[in-house]
This record gives sequence, structure tokens and C-alpha cells, in this order.
Amino acid sequence: EDKVVQSPLSLVVHEGDTVTLNCSYEVTNFRSLLWYKQEKKAPTFLFMLTSSGIEKKSGRLSSILDKKELFSILNITATQTGDSAVYLCAVEAGFFGDNNDMRFGAGTRLTVKP
Amino acid sequence: NAGVTQTPKFRVLKTGQSMTLLCAQDMNHEYMYWYRQDPGMGLRLIHYSVGEGTTAKGEVPDGYNVSRLKKQNFLLGLESAAPSQTSVYFCASRGPGHYNEQFFGPGTRLTVL
Repeated sequence: EDKVVQSPLSLVVHEGDTVTLNCSYEVTNFRSLLWYKQEKKAPTFLFMLTSSGIEKKSGRLSSILDKKELFSILNITATQTGDSAVYLCAVEAGFFGDNNDMRFGAGTRLTVKP
Repeated sequence: NAGVTQTPKFRVLKTGQSMTLLCAQDMNHEYMYWYRQDPGMGLRLIHYSVGEGTTAKGEVPDGYNVSRLKKQNFLLGLESAAPSQTSVYFCASRGPGHYNEQFFGPGTRLTVL
């Protein structure tokens, strides 16, 4: 069965810590993997990854994809309280014979304490 | 640009009632999606559309219907609401082309009693 699994489900750290969030997947006809940040309302886009081994960076956040081992990681360095959110991983693939389906993991809830 | 908008923001229904959720985007995006989000389950795709006049089933399509008569609008219908459809519903759009960011609407909180 096609699935996207995120770990850990929740994480509590202190400001300044570095965190690594994990996303593994089992899908047919993989196209892309996306990371989102969700605070109180709608998810906001962070990264899209389509090729193995190429790191995407935005400030203190970075992400990389391993298509051989079927996983991605999201790193956040020097965490701040504003990083507290649920981080969602989504995989776009041909789940039903069509290449536009999108499957989300359950998310990782990150809490950054002052 | 308003981006992606959803109406209504909140709604309470009784079991068996019907309703339509409206999603509108002003970014000329080809792709549009409807998701539901339940506690501890992330986002689950209900239906999606890759262009005007087209729709396709996602992961959890049962009990819902959709229409994309105009490129900018994507409607989600519940013909006979059930308590299991109590959820937060998000619409999203994407484009131009396939490898682009997906923008989400603010969500609709639906309660079915």
C-alpha cells in the first residue's frame, strides 16, 4: 500500500537546538516530495524536491531527498520559538494510475521552548 | 491577488443535509485540490482537478462530489452529510505547470451533528 510516514510524531527542543525531521515513502511512479509548515491555519510551502542528493536551503531550513532509500529529511538549525509548528511531508505520485495525486504524512509537531 | 479563497469559513450541518463548499483562485492555476484534515491524520486528498472540466478521485472520495466548470472555481459537494465528514477542509491550487508550489486556502471548519 502506498504510504508516507513521518517521524518523530512530536518533538520538543530548546531555542538554539538543531532538529532533523524525517519522511519516508513507498509509492508508485514518484514525481516529487514537498515539505510544508502548518501553524494555526493553512499549510505554507517550504521546499519541493525531485532529484536525489541536491540540497535545498532557505535560511536556517534545508532539505534533501534520497530516492534510492526513499526518504527525505528536513533540517532546522538554531531553532527559534517561531519555528514551532506542524511540519508536513507530501509525496506526489501515480497512486491511481495518474501522476497528479498527492499523499501527505501525518506530520511532525515541533515545539521550541525559550 | 486574493490567492485561494474558501467559502464558507465555518458551517454546522445536521446529518443528511447537503452543502457545497466553494474554492476560488485568481492565479490562473491549472491544478486544484480538495483535502480534509483530521487530528493526527495529516491531510488526505478527496478529489482534484488538472484543468477546467476535469476531475479525478483522490485518497478518500466517497461521500463527496466535485465540479470544475470554470478554471478559477472548484466546488466540493456533500449530498448527504454524515458525522464522519466533520473535519477541516482545505482547498489548494497549483501552477503554472506541474513543478510548482501548491497554495492553500484558509480552510473551512465543518461540523456534522
